[in-house]
Formats: sequence, C-alpha cells, structure tokens
Amino acid sequence: AQSVTQLGSHVSVSEGALVLLRCNYSSSVPPYLFWYVQYPNQGLQLLLKYTSAATLVKGINGFEAEFKKSETSFHLTKPSAHMSDAAEYFCAVKGSGNTGKLIFGQGTTLQVKP
Amino acid sequence: GAGVSQTPSNKVTEKGKYVELRCDPISGHTALYWYRQSLGQGPEFLIYFQGTGAADDSGLPNDRFFAVRPEGSVSTLKIQRTERGDSAVYLCASSTSGPSSYNEQFFGPGTRLTVL
Repeated sequence: AQSVTQLGSHVSVSEGALVLLRCNYSSSVPPYLFWYVQYPNQGLQLLLKYTSAATLVKGINGFEAEFKKSETSFHLTKPSAHMSDAAEYFCAVKGSGNTGKLIFGQGTTLQVKP
Repeated sequence: GAGVSQTPSNKVTEKGKYVELRCDPISGHTALYWYRQSLGQGPEFLIYFQGTGAADDSGLPNDRFFAVRPEGSVSTLKIQRTERGDSAVYLCASSTSGPSSYNEQFFGPGTRLTVL
C-alpha cells in the first residue's frame, strides 16, 4: 500500500533563506508523487508532480523537488523564501488501483519570518 | 473560467442531524473526488466518481456516508445521523478525465462541517 510521511509539522525560515520540506514515500509500484500548497481559506493548489520522467521536477513559484528512489524521498526546496510562501504544504502519492485517488501526508506548515 | 465550488462554506449542525454538502466541478471534468481533512491532518480520500457512477467508494468511513452524482456534474455528499467525529473540512476535487496519474486534480475551497 502507498503512504507518505512528512517530517516536521512546522518549519520556520527567514525571508531569503533556503526552504526544505521533507517527504518520504512508501509504494509497492513506481510512484507518482505530488506537492500541493494550501493557503488559508483556499483550496489545495498543485505545485509540482513527478511522473517518472525527469527526477528533478520544477514547479510554480520557484519550487522544485527531486525524486530519489534509493532514499524513497521527494523533498521540496526553494532557494530563497518569500513572505508569500507561508502556507501549508502537502506531499501526496497516487494510490494503488485505477482510480487516481491521492494519499496525502499530514502536512507541513511553513512560516517565513521577516 | 470558474473553478471548483462548494456550498455551503460552513455548516454547523447538531449531533444526529442529516447534512448535505454540494460540489460543483469545473465544467467538462468527468472525474470527481471527495476528501475529508481533519484538523492538523492531510486530506483523506472518501469517494471517486467517473461520470455518474461511483468507481471507488473505499474511503467512506461507514454507511452513514453516501454520495451521488446523478447527471455526471454536480455531486452531493450526504451524511446521516451526524456525530461529533464527523467534524472536518470536506474537500471536493475534479479532473479532466479518468484516473490517469497525469491528470491534475483541482480542489475546491472546502466545506467546514461542525457537529455540536
């Protein structure tokens, strides 16, 4: 069965600093992985996705993630944090079977300090 | 164009009551998903529709929960005999077609359900 673990429920960085949000997955088949962002009172928005092509995936707003099979990881990074990046971030893996359902991690709240 | 909309945005009810939550997907999207997000947790899958039929309802927690999509567009999630543990944000998502891993799911803002 597929599952996702996000290490760290809260991450705090200074504006301009590197952002690193950790995600490890478990999957019995080659995984399809996603990062979503959720701003207060808004729906989830797709940041980027890994679909077995390039292992380094670039997304919106300057974010990127690298798929590392040997480490079963899909960590999200951004070189320089901006105040507007403060939000909740979710890593997800496509569930088994033929439905497209997503299995989410518990989320990481990113705080950006001025 | 309009995104996924959900109504109501907030619903407060009493234990034991019946509630309906509505989802309007993006026009033309044939796939529709319901998720539930409890406080401090990630969304959990409830049910998936392809067209009018429920293709996967394995996430529904018990028989008090039911969902329909009679015309392949709007969907309604129905909860009978609500319990305090049902309090959560209920999210709806839609995508262009089928279960392909490449099809992005577009999420609505959710309905916050509070059961007193």
